Amino acid sequence: DVKVTQSSRYLVKRTGEKVFLECVQDMDHENMFWYRQDPGLGLRLIYFSYDVKMKEKGDIPEGYSVSREKKERFSLILESASTNQTSMYLCASSPGGVKSYGYTFGSGTRLTVV
Amino acid sequence: KNEVEQSPQNLTAQEGEFITINCSYSVGISALHWLQQHPGGGIVSLFMLSSGKKKHGRLIATINIQEKHSSLHITASHPRDSAVYICAVRPGGGADGLTFGKGTHLIIQP
Repeated sequence: DVKVTQSSRYLVKRTGEKVFLECVQDMDHENMFWYRQDPGLGLRLIYFSYDVKMKEKGDIPEGYSVSREKKERFSLILESASTNQTSMYLCASSPGGVKSYGYTFGSGTRLTVV
Repeated sequence: KNEVEQSPQNLTAQEGEFITINCSYSVGISALHWLQQHPGGGIVSLFMLSSGKKKHGRLIATINIQEKHSSLHITASHPRDSAVYICAVRPGGGADGLTFGKGTHLIIQP
């Protein structure tokens, strides 16, 4: 069964901490995405990557960075966590190519910054 | 940027009822997804559509590209169908991320 695995289901961090959210997929997908989900706002794209070491900003990249050193792993980094980054974070992946549209989502990481 | 509108926002129905959730978008797309999210957060992809109609069990999804509209139907609804249903659209080919509607919160009462 193909999977997108997020390393933590729940995470509590302090303001100012550096936070790493990890995502691993076992489908050999080229594309990987990080979204955050907030009540009333829905899911919004933070960053995506279409290849190793490549990254593109999404709609709300401020306060975040990403790393993709290996094809299967896409990390979201909060350099200095703030309370407004308390949210549900979802990772997703999809195959590469123009006609490859299938998406697989991870189970989410609920991050609380105190 | 594509605007994705879903209706209704909230829907409560009795077990066995036929359910329809609607999704409209503002700009042409290459594909539309219907997603299901149960309490606890994990998202499951139900359908991906670029034209016509798809059916899986009691779920049916349709899309009208000219009208920029899609519907998700649930026949013989059951309490286990209670979840948030999310419509998401993808622009033209490439690795661009999805744009999501805000979701429809469905509750099926026994």
